[in-house]
Amino acid sequence: DIQMTQSPSTLSASVGDRVTITCRASQSISSWLAWYQQKPGKAPNLLIYKASSLESGVPSRFSGSGSGTEFTLTINSLQPDDFATYYCQQYNTYSRGTFGQGTKVEIK
Amino acid sequence: EVHLLESGGGLVQPGGSLRLSCAASGFTLSSYIMNWVRQAPGKGLEWVSSITGGGGSTYYADSVKGRFTISRDNSKNTLYLQMNSLRAEDTAVYYCAKSRSSGWSATDSWGQGTLVTVSP
Repeated sequence: DIQMTQSPSTLSASVGDRVTITCRASQSISSWLAWYQQKPGKAPNLLIYKASSLESGVPSRFSGSGSGTEFTLTINSLQPDDFATYYCQQYNTYSRGTFGQGTKVEIK
Repeated sequence: EVHLLESGGGLVQPGGSLRLSCAASGFTLSSYIMNWVRQAPGKGLEWVSSITGGGGSTYYADSVKGRFTISRDNSKNTLYLQMNSLRAEDTAVYYCAKSRSSGWSATDSWGQGTLVTVSP
């Protein structure tokens, strides 16, 4: 099975910072990667699909890049509403939708 | 507007069974792969199971294979997860989630989740 590894596990940042989260796949997944944001007690919210496509309604300060085994989620000019946990998910392997372990973005 | 509403969670003893339901509205259920994703208390997201639009193909995480069964009734706009031989490690919030397209894809809509607690 494909394993997804996110780094860092926790990230401390300030409002206005540029933040980058990395997700690595144990084997190539082409561009079949999604990013989600989750706030405490809430369901996840899709931000990015197919590695770099912005989901409708998601602010343009969120962007994704990468292909193959290495991917990044970038948040430009971090806003107070962005403090949350972020997960990557691969959906390349038919029938498996493995998630990364999550990255918590905390207030510095 | 897409709406997904899970039900059926609760407290169950180890070895017991539960059936979760997910009522879907705002879209044509039969056109999309549907998924169950769970989250243990304080932990990350774990994909559990998926089912194709017509119900002909089902997929499971190794951790639940042979114990859980996903199904759907498109005429009732409802997704199900039958959970048998439950273990303490199955304790989690279970989310129903819709795929973005008819094929294997990211999930663009989620329910609010239903809590399953497996405890003596």
